[in-house]
Amino acid sequence: GIQVEQSPPDLILQEGANSTLRCNFSDSVNNLQWFHQNPWGQLINLFYIPSGTKQNGRLSATTVATERYSLLYISSSQTTDSGVYFCAVWSFNKFYFGSGTKLNVKP
Amino acid sequence: EAGVTQFPSHSVIEKGQTVTLRCDPISGHDNLYWYRRVMGKEIKFLLHFVKESKQDESGMPNNRFLAERTGGTYSTLKVQPAELEDSGVYFCASSPRFTGGNYNEQFFGPGTRLTVL
Repeated sequence: GIQVEQSPPDLILQEGANSTLRCNFSDSVNNLQWFHQNPWGQLINLFYIPSGTKQNGRLSATTVATERYSLLYISSSQTTDSGVYFCAVWSFNKFYFGSGTKLNVKP
Repeated sequence: EAGVTQFPSHSVIEKGQTVTLRCDPISGHDNLYWYRRVMGKEIKFLLHFVKESKQDESGMPNNRFLAERTGGTYSTLKVQPAELEDSGVYFCASSPRFTGGNYNEQFFGPGTRLTVL
């Protein structure tokens, strides 16, 4: 199957700081989604982004499919951004997930 | 529109017991998926239904796991007998029928946290 690597594995930020999370994948994929797992364990869709750039408030994402990576930008981070961020790529009719980036935003 | 729902939210059972997890997809979604995350590892695919048919069950770990989707609506995932290594979070996701391709955005449920003692 496809290998999905996320970096960094852990990230601690002061509230208000910006950050970039990275997702590398080992082969061509049909699609890609970013998720946020909140402290209650729920997986929240952030972006459905097979290519290009999308923005939603303080979050934006860019996928460069030809170079097999995607980036998630978080600006002006807030404590509610804490949790685990997962990248998932779609291939062979299923999702392959990365191990996640655990983000802790301190007040 | 209601999202994907899962029941129960938490389940604590002893080794050897049976547990049944339920998933209600978004109404009208033909595709239903089960995933799980065990012991802080990555989330892994278990199986995929298209309506009531199993499309792909390559991720099912062993024959102690049985998934059904009678009538093509809700789905159940039964673990019998449960083992310690089955502990983790079980997610369900659904998506609309594929049109013009093989992918639509998937929507995940809140998960069921299973603890096997």
